[in-house]
Amino acid sequence: GAGVSQSPSNKVTEKGKDVELRCDPISGHTALYWYRQSLGQGLEFLIYFQGNSAPDKSGLPSDRFSAERTGGSVSTLTIQRTQQEDSAVYLCASSLSRLAGGPETQYFGPGTRLLVL
Amino acid sequence: DAKTTQPPSMDCAEGRAANLPCNHSTISGNEYVYWYRQIHSQGPQYIIHGLKNNETNEMASLIITEDRKSSTLILPHATLRDTAVYYCIVRGGGGATNKLIFGTGTLLAVQP
Repeated sequence: GAGVSQSPSNKVTEKGKDVELRCDPISGHTALYWYRQSLGQGLEFLIYFQGNSAPDKSGLPSDRFSAERTGGSVSTLTIQRTQQEDSAVYLCASSLSRLAGGPETQYFGPGTRLLVL
Repeated sequence: DAKTTQPPSMDCAEGRAANLPCNHSTISGNEYVYWYRQIHSQGPQYIIHGLKNNETNEMASLIITEDRKSSTLILPHATLRDTAVYYCIVRGGGGATNKLIFGTGTLLAVQP
């Protein structure tokens, strides 16, 4: 079946511009995550959505970063006034809601490579 | 979530079994062991997970020691396409932090 998809696959922007990154999770997955990966680094958690609950925004690095998830499906990550240090691969993952005490497997999309000039 | 320790790199000959170790000595009773891999320029790919028992699927086998302080991911017949960074992640069950915490992983290089 279809996996997690992200668009665009690559984005080049100028410093100070706003960008929007899109994630389409696997159909039926109630949980959605955004991570970012800077060159040669590990994954850094950004934000987590679970159903209708308030999102966990604890990983967002600054107030220039925000995300929405409309209708419990598609999510958009917005970066305002981009800076060069925002250059990274932005990864989206989705999962089924897990049972209490049970495991949860996250499935990742291919990522959006953002380059801020 | 418990911290994991993995060797930074390993080599394996094509067609041979690749055995990737992971130490998680501070793991607690409700924490699962997950393995993901990341092939260059791609998103992480789920491989397998386990709690106490050994697990096997179409991709790999996971051997967890009886005290659960370490585990080994086994790729039975490594191919060149298995060259990737392999991440061992320990994460709690229900009610625990949802995010995955990726360490530096093990770069597995499969040699022809």
